Amino acid sequence: NAGVTQTPKFRVLKTGQSMTLLCAQDMNHEYMYWYRQDPGMGLRLIHYSVGEGTTAKGEVPDGYNVSRLKKQNFLLGLESAAPSQTSVYFCATNGYGYTFGSGTRLTVV
Amino acid sequence: AQSVAQPEDQVNVAEGNPLTVKCTYSVSGNPYLFWYVQYPNRGLQFLLKYITGDNLVKGSYGFEAEFNKSQTSFHLKKPSALVSDSALYFCAVRKDVRFGAGTRLTVKP
Repeated sequence: NAGVTQTPKFRVLKTGQSMTLLCAQDMNHEYMYWYRQDPGMGLRLIHYSVGEGTTAKGEVPDGYNVSRLKKQNFLLGLESAAPSQTSVYFCATNGYGYTFGSGTRLTVV
Repeated sequence: AQSVAQPEDQVNVAEGNPLTVKCTYSVSGNPYLFWYVQYPNRGLQFLLKYITGDNLVKGSYGFEAEFNKSQTSFHLKKPSALVSDSALYFCAVRKDVRFGAGTRLTVKP
């Protein structure tokens, strides 16, 4: 039982490049979330999904897009990466409490 | 606006002493309150939650938290700190999926 799996774990992008972060869960949870974690700012919600085929904006959605085509997967996309998007990204699902993935450390140079 | 605040960026305690990590919230209606711990280079791990019922909630690793409605607080406590408790702690409110900025706990031998 893997819980929540994020890929990749590390990535370095050049400004303007695009990439997709994948979050996969095997707990059959409806709710899935993408957060970014920055020093001194805690976790900030980027986008979330309340079920397959649905997505909604969180606190800091600009520069990101998401898709939830399958219940078990929640994808976070960066169309044109910027240095301000250098961060650690966490995916989470919500049953009776959040279950987090181990994170993706993204550096945009 | 619904929010959660952790007023201390850093808490330092000596091993064996009691510890408190503070959290206050602002939520309309009944809050669902959570504490999570993050060890270095790891994702967040669930510690405990308050939904309804007894105001004193016991969680993992000997931690507990007290829900105080009149003070709108949900402080995390442990009677005797361990060096291995050193980590980043986050308070969260489920209703608006808000996390506090985090408190770094350092327990010194």
